[in-house]
Amino acid sequence: DAGVIQSPRHEVTEMGQEVTLRCKPISGHDYLFWYRQTMMRGLELLIYFNNNVPIDDSGMPEDRFSAKMPNASFSTLKIQPSEPRDSAVYFCASSLVGYEQYFGPGTRLTVT
Amino acid sequence: DQQVKQNSPSLSVQEGRISILNCDYTNSMFDYFLWYKKYPAEGPTFLISISSIKDKNEDGRFTVFLNKSAKHLSLHIVPSQPGDSAVYFCAASGAGYFGNEKLTFGTGTRLTIIP
Repeated sequence: DAGVIQSPRHEVTEMGQEVTLRCKPISGHDYLFWYRQTMMRGLELLIYFNNNVPIDDSGMPEDRFSAKMPNASFSTLKIQPSEPRDSAVYFCASSLVGYEQYFGPGTRLTVT
Repeated sequence: DQQVKQNSPSLSVQEGRISILNCDYTNSMFDYFLWYKKYPAEGPTFLISISSIKDKNEDGRFTVFLNKSAKHLSLHIVPSQPGDSAVYFCAASGAGYFGNEKLTFGTGTRLTIIP
């Protein structure tokens, strides 16, 4: 059974450009989470969905960030426009029961 | 405002000895605690968890201890093996409206096992 799939694995972009990160959760999982990892703040929850519906987006840093889950097998996290301070590793995770979450390999984003 | 704190950014332990990783939390509403392990270039993987109704949970070489009065939990690995070298994240859930599905993570402790 495939785990959580994220693409791209690495993204380098220039400040001001739009960035779209993609995630395919584990089939059958009802919850999907987007996290950001930085050295200073560790793993921060940005937003999570239950049955494709956003439940809590209080961690989304600014209006430049948006996330969608059009169906049970796909989600996107978009940053527009991107800034150098958005450089981080972004993880997607999914779960069946909520707290035992399965993480994807992450997308390393570099904004120059 | 860090509700889950791992005050040791790194720890080095000799192979075969015990590794003890510590975690403190501030929110008394947390009622479920987890440890995740992360290798470079991979996502975190679930390791072990404990409910607030218990004070100890054991799984092979890994034991998690919870001290609710001190708001402190620890992860013991014994004996430590080279493959245990990784970053360990403590996480907590159960606080507030959203319930157990929302995890709050610490900043992680990098464990290095010295052969």
